[in-house]
Amino acid sequence: AQTVTQSQPEMSVQEAETVTLSCTYDTSENNYYLFWYKQPPSRQMILVIRQEAYKQQNATENRFSVNFQKAAKSFSLKISDSQLGDTAMYFCAFMKHGNNNDMRFGAGTRLTVKP
Amino acid sequence: DARVTQTPRDKVTEMGQEVTMRCQPILGHNTVFWYRQTMMQGLELLAYFRNRAPLDDSGMPKDRFSAEMPDATLATLKIQPSEPRDSAVYFCASGSGFSEAFFGQGTRLTVV
Repeated sequence: AQTVTQSQPEMSVQEAETVTLSCTYDTSENNYYLFWYKQPPSRQMILVIRQEAYKQQNATENRFSVNFQKAAKSFSLKISDSQLGDTAMYFCAFMKHGNNNDMRFGAGTRLTVKP
Repeated sequence: DARVTQTPRDKVTEMGQEVTMRCQPILGHNTVFWYRQTMMQGLELLAYFRNRAPLDDSGMPKDRFSAEMPDATLATLKIQPSEPRDSAVYFCASGSGFSEAFFGQGTRLTVV
């Protein structure tokens, strides 16, 4: 079974600065997807960014980018120019490619952006 | 605006009562997930369905939990009898099976 590890239970950053959230995973699969989800206090789970394992290029979405290291099984999220609205829980998730592809989550990192 | 709809949003019930949570996946999605979120365990996968067939429900306590998809527009998660340790937020999510999952707003269940 795949496991996803987020080793930082809590982090904080000053508004307008950059922060990086870590995620590692364990799998024997070659084709898979990785995701970062954001959960603000409203509890809604919102997709932040996705990465297909077969793509070498790191995904970016505006202020959000990832550093995908397939050999190291590492998938970190960088948030640039942090905003107060980025305060939330952030979850890393793994999904196999194929028919039997459940989605597994890490324990989450609580990010606080300070004014 | 396609979205996953979950009902009820909040539920308070007494121990021993039956609880049914409902989910309407996004039209056209063939994969449905049920997750339970607690402070201690994080997001646990309880069960998931592909084309209405259960693929994996190993994360679900079988003696009291059951999950079904009576049709493509409805997924249900039932707890009978409920216990205080079942208190959690229950999420339904749907997807195409080859991309991200889209989440509903969750059902916050409190068993007293």
